[in-house]
Amino acid sequence: EAQVTQNPRYLITVTGKKLTVTCSQNMNHEYMSWYRQDPGLGLRQIYYSMNVEVTDKGDVPEGYKVSRKEKRNFPLILESPSPNQTSLYFCASSGQLAGAYEQYFGPGTRLTVT
Amino acid sequence: DQQVKQNSPSLSVQEGRISILNCDYTNSMFDYFLWYKKYPAEGPTFLISISSIKDKNEDGRFTVFLNKSAKHLSLHIVPSQPGDSAVYFCAARTDKLIFGTGTRLQVFP
Repeated sequence: EAQVTQNPRYLITVTGKKLTVTCSQNMNHEYMSWYRQDPGLGLRQIYYSMNVEVTDKGDVPEGYKVSRKEKRNFPLILESPSPNQTSLYFCASSGQLAGAYEQYFGPGTRLTVT
Repeated sequence: DQQVKQNSPSLSVQEGRISILNCDYTNSMFDYFLWYKKYPAEGPTFLISISSIKDKNEDGRFTVFLNKSAKHLSLHIVPSQPGDSAVYFCAARTDKLIFGTGTRLQVFP
């Protein structure tokens, strides 16, 4: 089954404790992206990757890091989480290089930073 | 600066009637528009799209209309069903997708 998986689905952590949210896709897609969803703000792009070892900032990259060492994986790293990073996070992938057509989304990770 | 706006946060429609979800945009360089549907505890799923060179695209009960002069996009669902109850996001493309804030649709019996 073609899918994008994220782990964990739910995470409660404390300010400053480094965490990683994993994302994996089995569709051999070149393009992957991370979004955060906040009430009244819709989906905002954090980082994206056009291919292995190629990453770039989206609209809200502050406080986040990513890596793309393998085509299927695109982890999101919060080196020092803060309460304003409490949000619902989605990973997405696309077979279109520009990533701006149909994207397939993971189920989401709800992060709470206290 | 919200380039893609969904001004109605929620919409309630009776089963069998038409649901109309609206989306406005400001950037005339957008060349492709998409609608996504999102159920609770799931990621958004692609629903329907339209190129900027067209003014209508239909897929079963779902039709998207594009009015470029008004920079307005709408999604029509006819007839609406309870299973259509979800949050709907419109998105517009330049070199990336820019999403609206979403409209929560509730279809009641």
